[in-house]
Amino acid sequence: EDKVVQSPLSLVVHEGDTVTLNCSYEVTNFRSLLWYKQEKKAPTFLFMLTSSGIEKKSGRLSSILDKKELFSILNITATQTGDSAVYLCACIGRNMLTFGGGTRLMVKP
Amino acid sequence: DTGVSQDPRHKITKRGQNVTFRCDPISEHNRLYWYRQTLGQGPEFLTYFQNEAQLEKSRLLSDRFSAERPKGSFSTLEIQRTEQGDSAMYLCASSSTIVREINSPLHFGNGTRLTVT
Repeated sequence: EDKVVQSPLSLVVHEGDTVTLNCSYEVTNFRSLLWYKQEKKAPTFLFMLTSSGIEKKSGRLSSILDKKELFSILNITATQTGDSAVYLCACIGRNMLTFGGGTRLMVKP
Repeated sequence: DTGVSQDPRHKITKRGQNVTFRCDPISEHNRLYWYRQTLGQGPEFLTYFQNEAQLEKSRLLSDRFSAERPKGSFSTLEIQRTEQGDSAMYLCASSSTIVREINSPLHFGNGTRLTVT
């Protein structure tokens, strides 16, 4: 059975801090790893990673995949209160997305 | 708005009643997925369709659950004889399998929150 594990479960930081969220996976026929941000409603897409070692960046967020060690990290620099959310990691295996349990990030002013 | 839409947004029902949810995917997307999310957990896969064919169902999908996508466009998810453990957010997502978008990310709707009392 496919498995995606995220850590930490939750994190409280202050504005301006840098955070690193972790995602490890065991997925049959792995194709891609995705990061989503979920506030109150639908998860919104952040990154899709398919190749090892290539960093993807979007503003203060960046992510990288290690297909040998089967993990990915999501970095957020200079955090803002608007970054408070649940961050979900998911892997495309056979035909569906398998999600981790998420990391709940709270950024305090 | 050309995103994934779900209806209703909220549903409160009594135990034992049947409920039906609807999902309208992004129009050019041929794949449609149903997920269930309980508080503090990530979404759990329930089932997916490619066009009108239901290609995979999770073990989570008991015989009280049925999903259809009759014309390969919108989909419905029905839960019969609801139980309190069915209370969750039901998320629908769609994606495309055309070559230039292979591995394209799933686009989620805002979900239907079900409360079974």
